[in-house]
Amino acid sequence: DSGVTQTPKHLITATGQRVTLRCSPRSGDLSVYWYQQSLDQGLQFLIQYYNGEERAKGNILERFSAQQFPDLHSELNLSSLELGDSALYFCASSGGFGSGNTIYFGEGSWLTVV
Amino acid sequence: GQQLNQSPQSMFIQEGEDVSMNCTSSSIFNTWLWYKQDPGEGPVLLIALYKAGELTSNGRLTAQFGITRKDSFLNISASIPSDVGIYFCAGRGTSGSRLTFGEGTQLTVNP
Repeated sequence: DSGVTQTPKHLITATGQRVTLRCSPRSGDLSVYWYQQSLDQGLQFLIQYYNGEERAKGNILERFSAQQFPDLHSELNLSSLELGDSALYFCASSGGFGSGNTIYFGEGSWLTVV
Repeated sequence: GQQLNQSPQSMFIQEGEDVSMNCTSSSIFNTWLWYKQDPGEGPVLLIALYKAGELTSNGRLTAQFGITRKDSFLNISASIPSDVGIYFCAGRGTSGSRLTFGEGTQLTVNP
């Protein structure tokens, strides 16, 4: 158990819909990261938040957005969903910006768009 | 941007064999991490390396942070069927805390 909690574990939704994925970081971790992993693909970095503020942006689509709340949990919002958005979405957390700490992953949220 | 080349992409070995995989970077890293991912699960941290030349073991796994700070390798000795999975390297450079991931090595162990 990495200490990073993600919900829901599985989600099936229709094209055009909007979903929200939730992440609770490890206790004490200030940074939250979101990654997307499509079938048989590597981990694509989407976005990072540190203590409530956006710190780094990767290959995140404009239809996607994220935020980190004062209690440090984070949400990834995916809207106008397309079939190609079906993937595993991982949240990860670490102790601080630029600290060199390792990051720990949650178990992921399986999103299937039909 | 930073690029990581991980090789091999896949390996098919017999139980009991030793395995080696490596990652090379186009730029210097301050941290190298190795993860294992089982199907449908999140990546699990295996070994973290923070100093050039560092050699760290975790059971049958050994990883090293290259002297040039641009490469790292992971060795698995006496492989067993539960070693099956995808192994990812990841590096963190000098410019910030964002991790760059390799494309992964798919390991298959035949009993």
